[in-house]
Amino acid sequence: GAGVSQSPSNKVTEKGKDVELRCDPISGHTALYWYRQSLGQGLEFLIYFQGNSAPDKSGLPSDRFSAERTGGSVSTLTIQRTQQEDSAVYLCARGGLAGNTGELFFGEGSRLTVL
Amino acid sequence: SQQGEEDPQALSIQEGENATMNCSYKTSINNLQWYRQNSGRGLVHLILIRSNEREKHSGRLRVTLDTSKKSSSLLITASRAADTASYFCATILTGTASKLTFGTGTRLQVTL
Repeated sequence: GAGVSQSPSNKVTEKGKDVELRCDPISGHTALYWYRQSLGQGLEFLIYFQGNSAPDKSGLPSDRFSAERTGGSVSTLTIQRTQQEDSAVYLCARGGLAGNTGELFFGEGSRLTVL
Repeated sequence: SQQGEEDPQALSIQEGENATMNCSYKTSINNLQWYRQNSGRGLVHLILIRSNEREKHSGRLRVTLDTSKKSSSLLITASRAADTASYFCATILTGTASKLTFGTGTRLQVTL
C-alpha cells in the first residue's frame, strides 16, 4: 500500500458531537497532509506538517477544526461540535522520502457522516 | 479555492479509444502532478512533470505541460475498462514548499 493507515474508515456521528480521525504513516516521512473531499468534489487542503516547523493551518475551515502530530509520526484531526456540512471523506497523505519532489502517498480516507 | 481546473468534468469513451484530460492552473508552479482515484478510495500518484519539462511518458500515459498557457494535458492511450476513475491534476505553487493543491477532477468512464 501507500504506507498510510487511517482510522476509522467510516464514522457516523450526531450533529454537535466531537470526532477524532487518526492518520498513521510509516516512519521516516516528515511531511504529512490532511485534505477533505466532499461528495463528487476535488480535494480541499486542510493542514500540512513538515518536520519540526510550525504547521501550515491555512486550509482549516473554522476554529472547530484542529490537528496535531505527535512525535513526528501519528496525526489526529479533531472536529469539535460537528455540523452536517462537515460530512466528507478526510484524506491523509505523507510525503515521499529524500528528494522531496512533492509526490504524495494517500491513505484510504475516513468517511465522516454527520446526521 | 482550487488552483487547477480540469476539463472536461466527465468523459465517457469506449475501450481502446484514447482519453485526453486537460488541466489549467493560475499561478507559477514548481511541478505538476496527475493522480487517479478509484471510487471511494485514496488517490494514487501517476506522473510528475517539472516546470522545465514539456512532455513526459509513463506506459500508456503521456503528459504535456505548457507553462506559457498554464495548462497541462493527460493522455491515456488504448484505454481499458480498468482505467475508469477520477483523474486530478495537482500543483506545487512556486514559493509554497511542498503544499500540493488539487484541481476539481475529470471523471473518466471507459465502457466495453
